[in-house]
Amino acid sequence: ETGVTQTPRHLVMGMTNKKSLKCEQHLGHNAMYWYKQSAKKPLELMFVYSLEERVENNSVPSRFSPECPNSSHLFLHLHTLQPEDSALYLCASSQDLLAGPYEQYFGPGTRLTVT
Amino acid sequence: QQQVKQSPQSLIVQKGGISIINCAYENTAFDYFPWYQQFPGKGPALLIAIRPDVSEKKEGRFTISFNKSAKQFSLHIMDSQPGDSATYFCAASIDTGRRALTFGSGTRLQVQP
Repeated sequence: ETGVTQTPRHLVMGMTNKKSLKCEQHLGHNAMYWYKQSAKKPLELMFVYSLEERVENNSVPSRFSPECPNSSHLFLHLHTLQPEDSALYLCASSQDLLAGPYEQYFGPGTRLTVT
Repeated sequence: QQQVKQSPQSLIVQKGGISIINCAYENTAFDYFPWYQQFPGKGPALLIAIRPDVSEKKEGRFTISFNKSAKQFSLHIMDSQPGDSATYFCAASIDTGRRALTFGSGTRLQVQP
C-alpha cells in the first residue's frame, strides 16, 4: 500500500448523474493531485493542491470540480459527464511543492465509466 | 503538445533479456527525470529517478541513461523477469515551482518465461 486510498474503485454513471470521487492520504503530505489516465495516452494532470489551496487547473472542463477540505482529503465532484470522460482517475500526493523530495505517491485509481 | 515522447508503446522480452525503453523531451528546463512502474489495478509507483548532472544511475537491475545534449533518457532493465511485466512511464519536471510531472504515454512490458 502506498498510503493513498481512493474510493470507489469502480464507478458507472449516466451522463446526467452527479457523483464524487474521494482520495485520502495517510502520509502527512502537503500537496495532492488529480490525474486522468486514458488508454495509450500520457497521464494528464488535472488539478494540483498545496496546503488545501488549488495552485493549478490544467484547462479542465467545469463538469469536473475538485475540493480539498484539508491536506489529507481530496475530492473530485462529477456532473453531466460525457462518454469520453471514461478513464482511470488517479489521485497522488507528495510531501510538498516547494521543497523536495519530489516523489509522488499514487492511489490505485477509480475506474470511471460514463454511459 | 506532448513534451515527453516515449517509445516503444509495447515491448516483449524473454526472461533474462534486457528491456530498453526510451524517452525524449522538448523542454530544456526539465531537470528531474523519474520512471514510474504500474501494475494492473495499481497506481504508478516511483522506480528510479535521475537529475541531469549525471549520465547514468543504477539501482539493482534498473539503470537510467541520460543524454542531455540529445534530450533523451532511457530505462534499461537487466536480466528481465516475468515479475517486471508492467507498464512503465517516464516523466519529467522542473526543479522549481510546482514540480508537477509531465508523463510519457507509457510502455507495456511483457517478460515471457
